[in-house]
Amino acid sequence: GNSVTQMEGPVTLSEEAFLTINCTYTATGYPSLFWYVQYPGEGLQLLLKATKADDKGSNKGFEATYRKETTSFHLEKGSVQVSDSAVYFCALKGNNRLAFGKGNQVVVIP
Amino acid sequence: DTAVSQTPKYLVTQMGNDKSIKCEQNLGHDTMYWYKQDSKKFLKIMFSYNNKELIINETVPNRFSPKSPDKAHLNLHINSLELGDSAVYFCASSQDSGIYNEQFFGPGTRLTVL
Repeated sequence: GNSVTQMEGPVTLSEEAFLTINCTYTATGYPSLFWYVQYPGEGLQLLLKATKADDKGSNKGFEATYRKETTSFHLEKGSVQVSDSAVYFCALKGNNRLAFGKGNQVVVIP
Repeated sequence: DTAVSQTPKYLVTQMGNDKSIKCEQNLGHDTMYWYKQDSKKFLKIMFSYNNKELIINETVPNRFSPKSPDKAHLNLHINSLELGDSAVYFCASSQDSGIYNEQFFGPGTRLTVL
């Protein structure tokens, strides 16, 4: 079935550092891939998405590229800010199936 | 202005009680969802409705029963609440059930079972 795997554990980094959160997926067919962000006490919000292989999603300085050959959709940002502190979820949607990764807590220290 | 709203925001109740959580979306979307988020932030799909028809029904105890009176509403009723039901429940909607459409989430309902 469809599944999404995110790297284990929280991510703590300093302001202006480079952020990478790994996401790999297993799916039949050609799913769409998403990154959602959850700020404290709130629901999830879409950060970016990609609907086919080699598509790059981008928003607010974040980017992720749909890599079919490595079944990955890693999230990157070149220079994080304190306001980027949140939980980030990788998600997949395909064939009426939905799957979310376990999420990564990102803490940016001033 | 709220796109996806849920009530109540907090719900504290005793084991064995029955409770409901309501969800409404004003986006004109056809598809709605219920998710459960546990204390470790793990998010699990429970149900999905498209145009009032159930399309996703994951392995969820029969004590949980969704009801969609119309496209804009998806309520969740829980019978005989147990300690393990304590979690944050999120409602979401998307334009339709197609794979290209993102979901819009409500603010969540934090359920605490004592």
